[in-house]
Amino acid sequence: KAGVTQTPRYLIKTRGQQVTLSCSPISGHRSVSWYQQTPGQGLQFLFEYFSETQRNKGNFPGRFSGRQFSNSRSEMNVSTLELGDSALYLCASSLAPGGISYEQYFGPGTRLTVT
Amino acid sequence: AQKVTQAQTEISVVEKEDVTLDCVYETRDTTYYLFWYKQPPSGELVFLIRRNSFDEQNEISGRYSWNFQKSTSSFNFTITASQVVDSAVYFCALSEAGGAQKLVFGQGTRLTINP
Repeated sequence: KAGVTQTPRYLIKTRGQQVTLSCSPISGHRSVSWYQQTPGQGLQFLFEYFSETQRNKGNFPGRFSGRQFSNSRSEMNVSTLELGDSALYLCASSLAPGGISYEQYFGPGTRLTVT
Repeated sequence: AQKVTQAQTEISVVEKEDVTLDCVYETRDTTYYLFWYKQPPSGELVFLIRRNSFDEQNEISGRYSWNFQKSTSSFNFTITASQVVDSAVYFCALSEAGGAQKLVFGQGTRLTINP
């Protein structure tokens, strides 16, 4: 069974640009969550999607957005990139929310560098 | 607000030594979940264990063991007879009940096992 896949794995962008990251959950998983990992702030929750609906959102500015498609694949978008957005963006999938017994499986991440 | 503290930023030991990683948490919830994840250099977070707030039994899995003490709000992780392959960053995390998939992570402990 394939794990969580994230594309691209590495990305270099310039300040002011926008970027879209993609996450394909494990087959059969319908819940997707996104996290940002930086040396300074550590791992921080961005948002969670289930059945194409955002169920939960972390404390990030509106430049960070996401969506989920009917096949459970998810994308996150960051507009007007800032140097501080340089980070490892991790996606996690689980069978469903509503039961925390569903473990979250993480993908390898997308490393975004903003210059 | 929920908070997880891993006071040990870095630990370095010689192979075959036992090592304990500390985790202290804060939450107002009476029902919550605690996790440990391992992050090897590849970047992917690997799930190690989940414990709910009503289950204070210690758990052992091979060389790994976990000590959950509600009275001190601690969920410590011990590796017995450490091996070089155990070298990684280890994260403790907390999640509220009620179906939220939002994980609050500690800052992580970088564990280096020297041959």
